Order: sequence, then structure tokens, then C-alpha cells
Amino acid sequence: KNEVEQSPQNLTAQEGEFITINCSYSVGISALHWLQQHPGGGIVSLFMLSSGKKKHGRLIATINIQEKHSSLHITASHPRDSAVYICAVRPNAGGTSYGKLTFGQGTILTVHP
Amino acid sequence: SAVISQKPSRDICQRGTSLTIQCQVDSQVTMMFWYRQQPGQSLTLIATANQGSEATYESGFVIDKFPISRPNLTFSTLTVSNMSPEDSSIYLCSVTGRSSYEQYFGPGTRLTVT
Repeated sequence: KNEVEQSPQNLTAQEGEFITINCSYSVGISALHWLQQHPGGGIVSLFMLSSGKKKHGRLIATINIQEKHSSLHITASHPRDSAVYICAVRPNAGGTSYGKLTFGQGTILTVHP
Repeated sequence: SAVISQKPSRDICQRGTSLTIQCQVDSQVTMMFWYRQQPGQSLTLIATANQGSEATYESGFVIDKFPISRPNLTFSTLTVSNMSPEDSSIYLCSVTGRSSYEQYFGPGTRLTVT
């Protein structure tokens, strides 16, 4: 079992729909990142969370540390949101794990007009 | 925030040759990371590069295959040596920010080995 599991693996939506991507992890963490990767390969960091909830435009990210679970929501989805969304966790600092991220497999989102 | 550039952005190389990928950051950073993303897979950490010391390689990656240089606090290179088609991947450079919780990624280098 991977330390970081995302669901769904693939998601297709119609423009305007509300979208949720889930991330569950099994290790103690100091932070969780949501990343966006477009077809060209470059990665953009959307959110870094250690607790609670963050909002940026149409994107909302939440985390429940006790349940080891995070969600990324996209409101009023648009075709330009089509990308791979990756959850990554930073295990608790210390020793050789300092600074390293563990990545989920990614969720491929396609939003149709 | 940190802005990262990588060169080249993509390349097609022949089997048996080597390619050096450059990573330039617009600010001084302590830790730099090199990741590989094979087709359809998530990111895998190759090594951590700290200025002034040898890179630390993850299990399954060795210095002879992926030599890394880190001559200063804003620059690093990763060489993919004696390439085979299995090395076809996106290679990404990443750094931590002022707060070690922040993470920034470069645009990636898409490598195809024929």
C-alpha cells in the first residue's frame, strides 16, 4: 500500500461542475502539498497545508490531520483546470527524511466545455 | 517564493550518450532536490544536493548513473549517463523555500531516449 493514496485516479467533468479530489496518507506529516501539473510537465504548487483550510480563487484545500485526509475542491470548473493534480506529503522532519516529499499517483482531471 | 529555470526543456538523445540538465534558482537555497517522473508515474526522488557536500542518493539511484554537481547556492546539474530508453522521463529540480515547508518546482526537462 502506498503511503499516499489519491482518488479518483481519473476524473471527467463538465464545465461549471464542482470537483473534489481526495488524498489519504498513512504517515505522520508536517505538511501536505497540492500540486498541479500541466501536459508540458512543469509543476505548480497550489497549496501547502499543515491544518485547516485554505482558499485561492476557485480552489479550496482542506486537511484533517487526525484522519490523515485532505481534499482539493474546484468550484465552477473550467477546461483550463484540466491537468494532473498531485498530493504530496512531507513526513515529520528529522533524520534523512528532512525536506523530502512523498507523492501520490496523481489525479487526471479533464473538464469538457 | 523561488523561481526555478531548467535547461534544456526537452531533448531527444541516443542510447549510450549522456545529458546534463541544469537547474538555476533566482535566490540562494540550501537544499535542492532532483526528481524523476517516468511516463504515467508519479515523482520519484533521485537525490538531494546540498552545496559543499556530496549528493545523497535514494535507494535505486547511484552516482555513476546520475552524477550531480552543486557548485553554489543557486545552481545544480544532474547528468543522466549512458542513457537507455528506460531513462525516458521528465526530470524536475525542486527547492525548499525560506520555510522548509515551502516547496518549489522547476518546469521540468522532458527526456526521450531512442
